[in-house]
Amino acid sequence: GDSVTQMEGPVTLSEEAFLTINCTYTATGYPSLFWYVQYPGEGLQLLLKATKADDKGSNKGFEATYRKETTSFHLEKGSVQVSDSAVYFCALSEPGNTPLVFGKGTRLSVIA
Amino acid sequence: DTAVSQTPKYLVTQMGNDKSIKCEQNLGHDTMYWYKQDSKKFLKIMFSYNNKELIINETVPNRFSPKSPDKAHLNLHINSLELGDSAVYFCASSQELREGGYTFGSGTRLTVV
Repeated sequence: GDSVTQMEGPVTLSEEAFLTINCTYTATGYPSLFWYVQYPGEGLQLLLKATKADDKGSNKGFEATYRKETTSFHLEKGSVQVSDSAVYFCALSEPGNTPLVFGKGTRLSVIA
Repeated sequence: DTAVSQTPKYLVTQMGNDKSIKCEQNLGHDTMYWYKQDSKKFLKIMFSYNNKELIINETVPNRFSPKSPDKAHLNLHINSLELGDSAVYFCASSQELREGGYTFGSGTRLTVV
């Protein structure tokens, strides 16, 4: 079946450091890929998405590129802030409107 | 505001009680979902409804019963609550899933004591 694998957390970075959170996937079809962010005490919010190979999703300084050849969708940010501290989820959606498949989440803590 | 809203935000109850969580979306989406998030943040789908019809019913104890009176509402009723039901429950909705993904509610933290 479909699956999403994210790097284990927690990830702890100093402010202004470079962030990478790895995400790889297994899918039978040609999925859309998403990153969601969950701030403490809140629901998940869509951060960015990509619907086809080589698409780059971007939002709030975060970027991820859909790499079909490596089945990856790694999340990056050039300079993190304390306010980026949250749990980040990678997810995929197969054709046919099947529910999203989520990774286990990666907790990011940014310290001043 | 357009959103997915859940009530209550917090629910503390004793073992054996019956409780309900309500969810409403005013986005005009056709599909709604219930997810359970455990203490390690793992998200597990429980149910999915499309236009009031149940389309996904994962391996969930039959003490959990969803009800969708119309496509804007999906409620979750839980009978005979157990300690292991303690978790955060999220409602979500979607339209063109591959384009827009989900819109999540802010969650209901259920604590069974």
